[in-house]
Amino acid sequence: DARVTQTPRHKVTEMGQEVTMRCQPILGHNTVFWYRQTMMQGLELLAYFRNRAPLDDSGMPKDRFSAEMPDATLATLKIQPSEPRDSAVYFCASGLGSLVMNNEQFFGPGTRLTVL
Amino acid sequence: AQKITQTQPGMFVQEKEAVTLDCTYDTSDPSYGLFWYKQPSSGEMIFLIYQGSYDQQNATEGRYSLNFQKARKSANLVISASQLGDSAMYFCAMREGWDTGNQFYFGTGTSLTVIP
Repeated sequence: DARVTQTPRHKVTEMGQEVTMRCQPILGHNTVFWYRQTMMQGLELLAYFRNRAPLDDSGMPKDRFSAEMPDATLATLKIQPSEPRDSAVYFCASGLGSLVMNNEQFFGPGTRLTVL
Repeated sequence: AQKITQTQPGMFVQEKEAVTLDCTYDTSDPSYGLFWYKQPSSGEMIFLIYQGSYDQQNATEGRYSLNFQKARKSANLVISASQLGDSAMYFCAMREGWDTGNQFYFGTGTSLTVIP
């Protein structure tokens, strides 16, 4: 069945290293969302795309985070350089932008990032 | 102002009993959708139920129902006949407008523990 996939599922890295997280949205979905989840802040929206164009990335620290959609089947979230405070679970979600209001967002399994 | 407010950080319920998880929302848009997600300890986000702002009847999905009180701007989730597998975090979310490509606003979540 169709589902959002994310790689890697777990990542442990040292402070200062570059981290790249990948997401494959459900085929045919034209909106992609990146969230970060921590115990302290809960679920935070970092960025989202529609038809591969970034619509809002105001939730992202611009100096170190970047999000792109090189094509319709791949979204990436990069952190460079990473810091311990970036440790969190990063979720990707995709959805079908339309005028059918009950379309939900489908979440991937998340990438658990630990920055030492 | 918070778009979604969940005031119960943690809830306990006896197995086979019903439980209500509270959610209030804030929007001036007449068109909006309300969603509930479940996040078990494994971490994935599972869509449970949807309620549209123009829906006349409360949404139901199996043991889940949504107590939608539009004038009070509340969208409480009711779980009937609780099971041990219902122990999880529950998130209420809202999307404003007709366009399903719009972002979701999530609450801080309620941790539900089902006691045998």
